[in-house]
Amino acid sequence: QKEVEQDPGPLSVPEGAIVSLNCTYSNSAFQYFMWYRQYSRKGPELLMYTYSSGNKEDGRFTAQVDKSSKYISLFIRDSQPSDSATYLCAANTGGFKTIFGAGTRLFVKA
Amino acid sequence: DAGVIQSPRHEVTEMGQEVTLRCKPISGHDYLFWYRQTMMRGLELLIYFNNNVPIDDSGMPEDRFSAKMPNASFSTLKIQPSEPRDSAVYFCASSLARGGVNEQFFGPGTRLTVL
Repeated sequence: QKEVEQDPGPLSVPEGAIVSLNCTYSNSAFQYFMWYRQYSRKGPELLMYTYSSGNKEDGRFTAQVDKSSKYISLFIRDSQPSDSATYLCAANTGGFKTIFGAGTRLFVKA
Repeated sequence: DAGVIQSPRHEVTEMGQEVTLRCKPISGHDYLFWYRQTMMRGLELLIYFNNNVPIDDSGMPEDRFSAKMPNASFSTLKIQPSEPRDSAVYFCASSLARGGVNEQFFGPGTRLTVL
């Protein structure tokens, strides 16, 4: 079993939809939970992160972590075609070894 | 800053040949990571360095893979001999030790095809 599991999709939604991306993890020692966004033919870029449990909001994006169920979520409101990318969840214990999920490919249709 | 620089961007080689991938991290960053990304396995950490010293190479798949960081501004990942199953996108990333989330900055990747 991988330490961070993520459904690779693809996920296709119409413009304006609310998108929900999810991951599960198995290592209870994880403290930092991240979402990286990767456009086609590019490297991943950090989108946002949370520390421990709770929610964090940044514009149209909300990251949520539930440590009791070991569940990581990213919500995108009013999705735009420019949001079309692969979204990778990731986690680490506060050190430098970050474990990434497989990534979910998202397509937002205009 | 130019960001993380990787070369070549694309590499096509034949099975058995030696392949060398190159990376220049962001100036001032003290951690450097090598990843491999495939559809089947996602993004896998191969090895990472701190201040040019390899810290964890447990992700290196086989002895055919080796990585070096001779100075703070240059690292190589070598595959010798290469095999078709090594075909993937190889990313280099760098980070600055500030504690906390330790954001990694990725290069554009090298797309390797082994025929």
